[in-house]
Amino acid sequence: AQTVTQSQPEMSVQEAETVTLSCTYDTSENNYYLFWYKQPPSRQMILVIRQEAYKQQNATENRFSVNFQKAAKSFSLKISDSQLGDTAMYFCAFMKPSNAGGTSYGKLTFGQGTILTVHP
Amino acid sequence: AAGVIQSPRHLIKEKRETATLKCYPIPRHDTVYWYQQGPGQDPQFLISFYEKMQSDKGSIPDRFSAQQFSDYHSELNMSSLELGDSALYFCASSLKAGTAIQPQHFGDGTRLSIL
Repeated sequence: AQTVTQSQPEMSVQEAETVTLSCTYDTSENNYYLFWYKQPPSRQMILVIRQEAYKQQNATENRFSVNFQKAAKSFSLKISDSQLGDTAMYFCAFMKPSNAGGTSYGKLTFGQGTILTVHP
Repeated sequence: AAGVIQSPRHLIKEKRETATLKCYPIPRHDTVYWYQQGPGQDPQFLISFYEKMQSDKGSIPDRFSAQQFSDYHSELNMSSLELGDSALYFCASSLKAGTAIQPQHFGDGTRLSIL
């Protein structure tokens, strides 16, 4: 079974600064997908960024980028130019794609979450 | 764009009662997932359906059942409710999750409170 660990229960950053959230995972799979989801106080689950394990290039989405280290099984999220609206719980998630028989369709395994607070 | 619709948004029940949560996936999405998020916890996978067939099962209690209907909407039925069932229940949908990777889109959740 896969496990996802986020070792930082809480983080804080000043507005306009940069912050990095850590995530490690454990799996014996070679092909998989990793995600960062954001959950603001409204409790919605919003996809921030995704990374395919077979791609060496780190994914970027505007102010959000990842540092994917496959050998180390590490997947950190960097938020640049932090904004007040970035305040939220951030979850790292792992997904194994469909198995050979096509019977397993991509459930997400989440880490424990990191509460990020952006201060003005 | 259309999103995943969950109903009701809030539900209050008493112990030993039953509850039914509904999920309407994004049009043309063929896979539905249910997750349970307890207070201060990460979401836990319960069950998923692909093309109206159960495709995977997680830590779903035997008191819970779910199904996906011909119009692809899904219902999570919960019986003999317990205080520990109080949680936020998310439904998510995706398209061809097992082949070309498509991210899961989440609904706003149903907050279930057991008194």
